[in-house]
Amino acid sequence: SQKIEQNSEALNIQEGKTATLTCNYTNYSPAYLQWYRQDPGRGPVFLLLIRENEKEKRKERLKVTFDTTLKQSLFHITASQPADSATYLCALDGSGGNNRLAFGKGNQVVVIP
Amino acid sequence: DTGVSQNPRHKITKRGQNVTFRCDPISEHNRLYWYRQTLGQGPEFLTYFQNEAQLEKSRLLSDRFSAERPKGSFSTLEIQRTEQGDSAMYLCASSRGQNQETQYFGPGTRLLVL
Repeated sequence: SQKIEQNSEALNIQEGKTATLTCNYTNYSPAYLQWYRQDPGRGPVFLLLIRENEKEKRKERLKVTFDTTLKQSLFHITASQPADSATYLCALDGSGGNNRLAFGKGNQVVVIP
Repeated sequence: DTGVSQNPRHKITKRGQNVTFRCDPISEHNRLYWYRQTLGQGPEFLTYFQNEAQLEKSRLLSDRFSAERPKGSFSTLEIQRTEQGDSAMYLCASSRGQNQETQYFGPGTRLLVL
């Protein structure tokens, strides 16, 4: 069966450190992978997209890697700040053509001042 | 604010009642998606429109659920004869279309069925 796995345990991290989140998937062949941020009671907000032929993507303090052999993406927040505290969702291209997304359960990050 | 709006933001209803939610996407976006999210889970795909055509429906979408997008603009999601298991956050997202995969989500409608 198809699975998208993110760590269910919250990541508590000291301000200024790098937070690293993992997204593993099985039985998907995604053309791209996206990361979203979600705050409580709000809709997801797009952060980064990385395509299958890209190894790494950066945006400000965020970095995403994509390894289609390992079927894994890593999401890094460098120099983390308390405002980065949120749930981060990994999403894959769930099927060809219509771009509907298949999401992981999300991984909560808590940045401690 | 992503530019996608949803109404109402919250809805409390009794089991067996019908409810309707509205989504207004970003105006130039021709693709519109509905997702459902329960506590501790990621959003799950429900259905998808390209312009006014409903092109895909998830198996999650029972016969009690119906969605429309008249004229390819706003969309409505109706749930008939609501059940307690329908309690969830209903999210709408829109995107420009092919090769523009970023989806912009609305704030969601939180439904509680008593």
